[in-house]
Amino acid sequence: AIRMTQSPSSLSASTGDRVTITCRASQGISSYLAWYQQKPGKAPNLLIYAASTLQSGVPSRFSGSGSGTDFTLTISCLQSEDFATYYCQQYYSYPFTFGPGTKVDIK
Amino acid sequence: EVQLLESGGGLVQPGGSLRLSCAASGFTFSSYAMSWVRQAPGKGLEWVSAISGSGGSTSYPDSVKGRFTISRDDSKNTLYLQMNSLRAEDTAVYYCAKVSDILITFGGLIVFDYWGQGTLVTVSS
Repeated sequence: AIRMTQSPSSLSASTGDRVTITCRASQGISSYLAWYQQKPGKAPNLLIYAASTLQSGVPSRFSGSGSGTDFTLTISCLQSEDFATYYCQQYYSYPFTFGPGTKVDIK
Repeated sequence: EVQLLESGGGLVQPGGSLRLSCAASGFTFSSYAMSWVRQAPGKGLEWVSAISGSGGSTSYPDSVKGRFTISRDDSKNTLYLQMNSLRAEDTAVYYCAKVSDILITFGGLIVFDYWGQGTLVTVSS
């Protein structure tokens, strides 16, 4: 199985900050990567797929980049509603696997 | 508006069985693959199963293969997960999720664009 890792595991930031989260795959997955946001007690929400394509309805302050094994999610100007946990997911091969998550909280 | 409503969760003893259901609305159910994803308390996300839009293809991770069965009834717009030989480590919130593609084969857009609210399964004696 492809192992997904994320860094950092958590971070503290302030509203207005630029935040970058990294996701790494244990083997090349081309651009078969998605990002999700999850708030406490809620289901995850798809933000980005194909590494860099913004899901409909997702604010443009979210962006994704990367291919192969290294990917990043960037929030250009953190808003109060962005404090949440973020997960990456590969869909290059079975079993589909998620990263362990990055929790973004308020500094 | 896409809606996914899970039901069937609850407390079950180790070795027992449970069937989850997911009622879908707001989209052409038969045209999309569907999946189950679970989340143990305080933990991350784990993909549990997927089924193609036709129902002809299914897939599971090794952790549940042979114990869980995903199925769908397109006439009822409903997805199911039959869980047998349950273990304590199966305790989790189980989410039903719509896949962005009809297929679940390599090259497909196998991402989860809509999720239900989840149903809690607790395996304990």
